Amino acid sequence: DADVTQTPRNRITKTGKRIMLECSQTKGHDRMYWYRQDPGLGLRLIYYSFDVKDINKGEISDGYSVSRQAQAKFSLSLESAIPNQTALYFCATSSSGGYNEQFFGPGTRLTVL
Amino acid sequence: GDSVTQMEGPVTLSEEAFLTINCTYTATGYPSLFWYVQYPGEGLQLLLKATKADDKGSNKGFEATYRKETTSFHLEKGSVQVSDSAVYFCALSDSAGYSTLTFGKGTMLLVSP
Repeated sequence: DADVTQTPRNRITKTGKRIMLECSQTKGHDRMYWYRQDPGLGLRLIYYSFDVKDINKGEISDGYSVSRQAQAKFSLSLESAIPNQTALYFCATSSSGGYNEQFFGPGTRLTVL
Repeated sequence: GDSVTQMEGPVTLSEEAFLTINCTYTATGYPSLFWYVQYPGEGLQLLLKATKADDKGSNKGFEATYRKETTSFHLEKGSVQVSDSAVYFCALSDSAGYSTLTFGKGTMLLVSP
């Protein structure tokens, strides 16, 4: 079984809809992250959480919100989706005891029409 | 702030050719440096890392040396294979304990038989 899982893997939705992307991990890591990937732009950090009670905005948090329901679960929400949020979204985890090497999920491809 | 600059791709090579993908960084202190690889349709995987100056990270025939004097972490492989075709990302984590990763924009490698 994969250590970091994301659901759904693909999603097509319409402008204005609320969308939730979920991430679960079995690595026992305390830190979790959400990134989006756009062609030619690399990965950009949306939100990150260093423990269950810690939530921090990343580089591009506008239009997104997150919830850390448990150490192993970190959800990303788009309250009112817009077309320029069409992208590939990745969840990642890391341990506070290491050098911050991060372990990534397989990604969610989101299309907003 | 921290930044990572990678050579633009795509890099196109024939099988068994020598590979270099350049990566330079800007950061304060002594960051840890990483190379990640993303195969088509998959998430990012950690390829190798180096945590202090002059360290050499290596994995699967790939190598990169942490050069603080030139602020570089170039990725090399002596003989590439078709299966190495992927997107490669250079990243850094600064020396503060609660930092996140800063990624370059990625370099696509295409290897032909």
